[in-house]
Amino acid sequence: DGGITQSPKYLFRKEGQNVTLSCEQNLNHDAMYWYRQDPGQGLRLIYYSQIVNDFQKGDIAEGYSVSREKKESFPLTVTSAQKNPTAFYLCASFSTGGLGNQPQHFGDGTRLSIL
Amino acid sequence: GEDVEQSLFLSVREGDSSVINCTYTDSSSTYLYWYKQEPGAGLQLLTYIFSNMDMKQDQRLTVLLNKKDKHLSLRIADTQTGDSAIYFCAESIDHFNKFYFGSGTKLNVKP
Repeated sequence: DGGITQSPKYLFRKEGQNVTLSCEQNLNHDAMYWYRQDPGQGLRLIYYSQIVNDFQKGDIAEGYSVSREKKESFPLTVTSAQKNPTAFYLCASFSTGGLGNQPQHFGDGTRLSIL
Repeated sequence: GEDVEQSLFLSVREGDSSVINCTYTDSSSTYLYWYKQEPGAGLQLLTYIFSNMDMKQDQRLTVLLNKKDKHLSLRIADTQTGDSAIYFCAESIDHFNKFYFGSGTKLNVKP
């Protein structure tokens, strides 16, 4: 079945480490997004990419980095500069082609915790 | 960024109707969405509405939009225990660009 796969489901980071969250989609979607969710809050946009080899900062990009070398993949790196990385991270994708497009389609998320 | 506001909690009895409310500030919003999140999972799109519509119905779900007051509501008829989840309201100028989410309303359905 087509969908978005985020891995791992749970991730632990030591102080000073960078960690990378994986997001892969086989929906042939052009655009991909990373959101952060904190308890009792809505989703906040970290980065998004509307086409391969291009991406834009969202509202809370500091301490994060991304790459978009392939259409199917949009990994997110949480760097040591991100001082409060504990959160639930959600990846989403969207197709720009055709009529009657469905809005952003989400993965099941990765929960990142600090050791 | 744009503000999207929701109440945090709603509790209803099984079989009753649930109404989840949302207000937003951006008058240029073109699309308004409702997503459902079950524990530990991603967001599932329930429905969305164009800003030039007043109402949209899809089975047990009814979305009402008051564009003048920038107020959106989601009514769930005959609420079931399986409807217990967090419901997020979101708005955007189009599907492609930034979505702005509310903080979510946790719906608790009591048997």
